Amino acid sequence: DQQVKQNSPSLSVQEGRISILNCDYTNSMFDYFLWYKKYPAEGPTFLISISSIKDKNEDGRFTVFLNKSAKHLSLHIVPSQPGDSAVYFCAASVEKGTYKYIFGTGTRLKVLA
Amino acid sequence: DTAVSQTPKYLVTQMGNDKSIKCEQNLGHDTMYWYKQDSKKFLKIMFSYNNKELIINETVPNRFSPKSPDKAHLNLHINSLELGDSAVYFCASSLRMTGPSEQYFGPGTRLTVT
Repeated sequence: DQQVKQNSPSLSVQEGRISILNCDYTNSMFDYFLWYKKYPAEGPTFLISISSIKDKNEDGRFTVFLNKSAKHLSLHIVPSQPGDSAVYFCAASVEKGTYKYIFGTGTRLKVLA
Repeated sequence: DTAVSQTPKYLVTQMGNDKSIKCEQNLGHDTMYWYKQDSKKFLKIMFSYNNKELIINETVPNRFSPKSPDKAHLNLHINSLELGDSAVYFCASSLRMTGPSEQYFGPGTRLTVT
């Protein structure tokens, strides 16, 4: 039972345009969410996070939106750059105290020059 | 200077063998983790240690045994390797176990069991 789902395995976007990556979750107890970026043959690197008390968090070109009622979060990248081409994972925490993260299966973003 | 390092990067071995993967972090973090990424790309936590103490132990066969000699190191030993153990194993660390804290991942160890 996959509690965190990224239903789009891949996405292609033109350079300079907006990239929107989506993530859905089923566990209403999740209270902290993160996005990671992963290049081939490397480990995931942290990108941005959001707490359930917020509905938006912004860091430069990256913005994460959280819709708790829909159990949905999204990552917006504006403007998209070729260097953003990578696999993006969303992750959610299961419980307070020990922040065990449940990861989605990832979305491969390709930014076309 | 790599924050979280793993050795080896690639490991090819035969069924039934015993192998170890080493992980070291130089970030001064308290908490370290092992994740497994299988062929379906699911990234699943296996273990976490906080200050050398085992905190999270997911449903992992007893053939997998983590060892943390100090809080900067978390090694993974696997006995009697099986074909299904083939995967990429990632080590990670975070500043602390409690409270939101992003994880820093190593480059991964691709294990292939033949």
